Amino acid sequence: EAQVTQNPRYLITVTGKKLTVTCSQNMNHEYMSWYRQDPGLGLRQIYYSMNVEVTDKGDVPEGYKVSRKEKRNFPLILESPSPNQTSLYFCASGKRQGGYEQYFGPGTRLTVT
Amino acid sequence: GQNIDQPTEMTATEGAIVQINCTYQTSGFNGLFWYQQHAGEAPTFLSYNVLDGLEEKGRFSSFLSRSKGYSYLLLKELQMKDSASYLCAVLNDYKLSFGAGTTVTVRA
Repeated sequence: EAQVTQNPRYLITVTGKKLTVTCSQNMNHEYMSWYRQDPGLGLRQIYYSMNVEVTDKGDVPEGYKVSRKEKRNFPLILESPSPNQTSLYFCASGKRQGGYEQYFGPGTRLTVT
Repeated sequence: GQNIDQPTEMTATEGAIVQINCTYQTSGFNGLFWYQQHAGEAPTFLSYNVLDGLEEKGRFSSFLSRSKGYSYLLLKELQMKDSASYLCAVLNDYKLSFGAGTTVTVRA
């Protein structure tokens, strides 16, 4: 089944404790991206990647890191999480045709206390 | 910067038509998307417009006017399952910027 998977789905952590949210897709998509979704603000792009070893900042990259060592994986790293990073996070992947129409993962709800 | 505006909420009756408008001011434009998001779920793709005009896909249609920075999503023959948030998003190079979303409530 074609899908984007994220782990974990739910995470409660404390300020300053490094964490990684994994994202994997099995559709051989070139494009992958991370978003956060907050009430009243909608989806905001954190980072995106056009292909292996090619990443760039979205609209809200501060406090986040990413890497794209393999085509299928695009982990999101929070080196020192803070409470303002409490949010719902979505990973997505897209094919080059059709303007990178994106397929979203199920989401990760992160709470930083 | 990117500025994408859409109404916060709309309510309509089952079987009716609803039009969700989206206006945008962006530094570049490579296409406009509409996504549907049910509560507690991930967004799913509805439509993509890169040229001016109307794209029809079953009960859903999407229109784009690049010169006016304007798009709309038309939902016909509304069903209860269409109650969801509808997200307008603009692609600029490889960056995708979303509006805050329009919550549509369909009433019996």
